[in-house]
Amino acid sequence: AQSVTQPDIHITVSEGASLELRCNYSYGATPYLFWYVQSPGQGLQLLLKYFSGDTLVQGIKGFEAEFKRSQSSFNLRKPSVHWSDAAEYFCAVGVGGNKLVFGAGTILRVKS
Amino acid sequence: AAGVIQSPRHLIKEKRETATLKCYPIPRHDTVYWYQQGPGQDPQFLISFYEKMQSDKGSIPDRFSAQQFSDYHSELNMSSLELGDSALYFCASSLGGYEANYGYTFGSGTRLTVV
Repeated sequence: AQSVTQPDIHITVSEGASLELRCNYSYGATPYLFWYVQSPGQGLQLLLKYFSGDTLVQGIKGFEAEFKRSQSSFNLRKPSVHWSDAAEYFCAVGVGGNKLVFGAGTILRVKS
Repeated sequence: AAGVIQSPRHLIKEKRETATLKCYPIPRHDTVYWYQQGPGQDPQFLISFYEKMQSDKGSIPDRFSAQQFSDYHSELNMSSLELGDSALYFCASSLGGYEANYGYTFGSGTRLTVV
């Protein structure tokens, strides 16, 4: 069955430090992969997506993610975190029929 | 730009009552998706509609039903509510059914609390 694993439930980083959020997926075919961000009381906002091609994907708000097929991973990175990046981040895989399967999410805290 | 509108934003119901959640897609979008996000959980796909017909069904209880109307808005009807139905319910919309290639836009959600 398709699944997404985000091993870190919470991550705390200092403002200005770099960030990497981990995501591993299990899917038989070539995956469509996504990262969404959810601020408290808000909907899910798409940060970036990978369908094919260049394995390093640039997204909004300075985020990027790298698809590594050999590791079944799609980790999200940002070189310098801002306090406004504090939110919950969800990795997701498209499983056909335009359905998404989400990971459990990683809550990012930013300390000043 | 217009976004996906969900109403109400918050809803409190008692056990065994009925709730109706509404979703108004982005203008010209013809596909609607419903997801349920329990407390501390990841969003789970419930059901989707394309051109007013159900296109896919996920882990939606039999107590729930949904439809998409001629103006493409969708309603999720939930009967015999249980405490476990307390969750954030997201609607998303896209254009072109499966051709949308996951080109979703999510609404801000309806938070349902069952007491």
